Amino acid sequence: KAGVTQTPRYLIKTRGQQVTLSCSPISGHRSVSWYQQTPGQGLQFLFEYFSETQRNKGNFPGRFSGRQFSNSRSEMNVSTLELGDSALYLCASSLSTGNTNYGYTFGSGTRLTVV
Amino acid sequence: GENVEQHPSTLSVQEGDSAVIKCTYSDSASNYFPWYKQELGKGPQLIIDIRSNVGEKKDQRIAVTLNKTAKHFSLHITETQPEDSAVYFCAASKDSSASKIIFGSGTRLSIRP
Repeated sequence: KAGVTQTPRYLIKTRGQQVTLSCSPISGHRSVSWYQQTPGQGLQFLFEYFSETQRNKGNFPGRFSGRQFSNSRSEMNVSTLELGDSALYLCASSLSTGNTNYGYTFGSGTRLTVV
Repeated sequence: GENVEQHPSTLSVQEGDSAVIKCTYSDSASNYFPWYKQELGKGPQLIIDIRSNVGEKKDQRIAVTLNKTAKHFSLHITETQPEDSAVYFCAASKDSSASKIIFGSGTRLSIRP
């Protein structure tokens, strides 16, 4: 069974640019969540998608956005990049439907460096 | 919203000894408590989870305990081995908020040979 696949693994971008990260969940998982991981702030929740709808959103500025496609694949976009956006971005998929929570399966992440 | 506090931030134990990591949560409605292990260069991996209708759960050398009254839960690793060295995260969530899981700040566990 394939795990959660995130692409690309590494990215270097310049301040002001925008970036799109991709996530393919485990087959059958309809819930996809995104987290930002930094040494100082730990794992911060960005948003969660279920059946192409954003179901939960964390406390990040509107520059951070996402979407989910009908095959449950998800993308997140960060516009007008800032130095502070440098982080490991983790995608996680889950069997959770909303009535019962299940654990996440995380991908290996995309390491974004903004210079 | 939910807040999860985790202690200690770093922990060093002798190989073969036990390690304990403790977490507290703020939202009494939380009912699902997973633990994750993150090795260098990898995403966090679910190692054990517990729901609020259970006080303790074991899986080989790993056990988790939950005290709903005190809003505490702990991870216990017995007979530690070098491969247990990693960062461990506790987390909490409640079914009514769908899949939003809030993580603790992490514990870096080092096993001394």
